[in-house]
Amino acid sequence: GENVEQHPSTLSVQEGDSAVIKCTYSDSASNYFPWYKQELGKRPQLIIDIRSNVGEKKDQRIAVTLNKTAKHFSLHITETQPEDSAVYFCAASIGNAGNMLTFGGGTRLMVKP
Amino acid sequence: DTAVSQTPKYLVTQMGNDKSIKCEQNLGHDTMYWYKQDSKKFLKIMFSYNNKELIINETVPNRFSPKSPDKAHLNLHINSLELGDSAVYFCASSQGILLAAQETQYFGPGTRLLVL
Repeated sequence: GENVEQHPSTLSVQEGDSAVIKCTYSDSASNYFPWYKQELGKRPQLIIDIRSNVGEKKDQRIAVTLNKTAKHFSLHITETQPEDSAVYFCAASIGNAGNMLTFGGGTRLMVKP
Repeated sequence: DTAVSQTPKYLVTQMGNDKSIKCEQNLGHDTMYWYKQDSKKFLKIMFSYNNKELIINETVPNRFSPKSPDKAHLNLHINSLELGDSAVYFCASSQGILLAAQETQYFGPGTRLLVL
């Protein structure tokens, strides 16, 4: 089955700096890659997603890139703010396999004011 | 913010007991899921139901039995609770499973289960 690796497990940045989180996946049939943000004690919430027919997608300060050949995708957050502090999860899905999401292990991002 | 709701929010119980967690979505989605998040924050799919029918069962012990009375509800019943069942259980839903635009999954607030 699918295996998703996520790095780093913790990331500390200064407010205003950029943060990059990287994920690799094993199943070349995966075609949907969402990113979720989970604040302490809260539910995971989708922040951005990308599908395999696109190499890059941007939404304000958040961007995601996908390299299907290398089977890796990354989350980029620019101009980080303290409220960006949370755990971020990448995930991969084959889509038609019951839409099962396989999650990475999570990255705890801390933005220092 | 009640699109996907779960009850109870917290559940503390003794080992060996049987308990249920309920999930409801009012988004009109066809597919619902249960995830388990352990103490290390790792999120893992347990079950997926589409239109009340089971489509994924990810090697979950048969002490866990999901039930979907209709497509808006997916409940999780757990028999003979064990210490290792302590975790946060999240319900989620998505519009469908076959079309790319229907894949986005929306999570419920979670149920924190503690088995003593």
